[in-house]
Amino acid sequence: EDKVVQSPLSLVVHEGDTVTLNCSYEVTNFRSLLWYKQEKKAPTFLFMLTSSGIEKKSGRLSSILDKKELFSILNITATQTGDSAVYLCAGGTSYGKLTFGQGTILTVHP
Amino acid sequence: EAQVTQNPRYLITVTGKKLTVTCSQNMNHEYMSWYRQDPGLGLRQIYYSMNVEVTDKGDVPEGYKVSRKEKRNFPLILESPSPNQTSLYFCASSLTPNQPQHFGDGTRLSIL
Repeated sequence: EDKVVQSPLSLVVHEGDTVTLNCSYEVTNFRSLLWYKQEKKAPTFLFMLTSSGIEKKSGRLSSILDKKELFSILNITATQTGDSAVYLCAGGTSYGKLTFGQGTILTVHP
Repeated sequence: EAQVTQNPRYLITVTGKKLTVTCSQNMNHEYMSWYRQDPGLGLRQIYYSMNVEVTDKGDVPEGYKVSRKEKRNFPLILESPSPNQTSLYFCASSLTPNQPQHFGDGTRLSIL
């Protein structure tokens, strides 16, 4: 059975802090690792990673994948209150099946 | 505007009364999928479809049916809903199975 585990489950920081969210996976026929941000409603796409060691960046967010250790991290630097959300990690197979982790609830205080 | 549209957004119903949640996308996406989201369990895939007339079970398909007669629509059918199907449901689509999925705004179902 495919499995994705995120840690920590919740995190409280202050504005300006840097956070690292972790995601480990065991997915048969693994093809990609995806990160989503979920605020009040629908998850919104952040990153898709398919190759080890290549960092993807978008503003203050960055992510990297380690296919040997079956692990990914999402970094957020200089956090803002608008970063408060649930961050979801998912392992995708070559035929489109996605297995999500439980999510990390990030709370950023002013 | 490119979007995934689910209806209804909220529904309270009773055990055993058949219901359908519709999902439609206007992006000509081949791949569509249904998820349920429950506290502490994250998003779990119910069914997915690689293309018209092609559907497959996800991790939690019991109690649900789907159909994909047209590319844009992927309805989720609960033939005999039970209280353990009370949940937040999301439909998602992507151009191909290997592209990031776009999610609808969700349907909150309560089954009494």
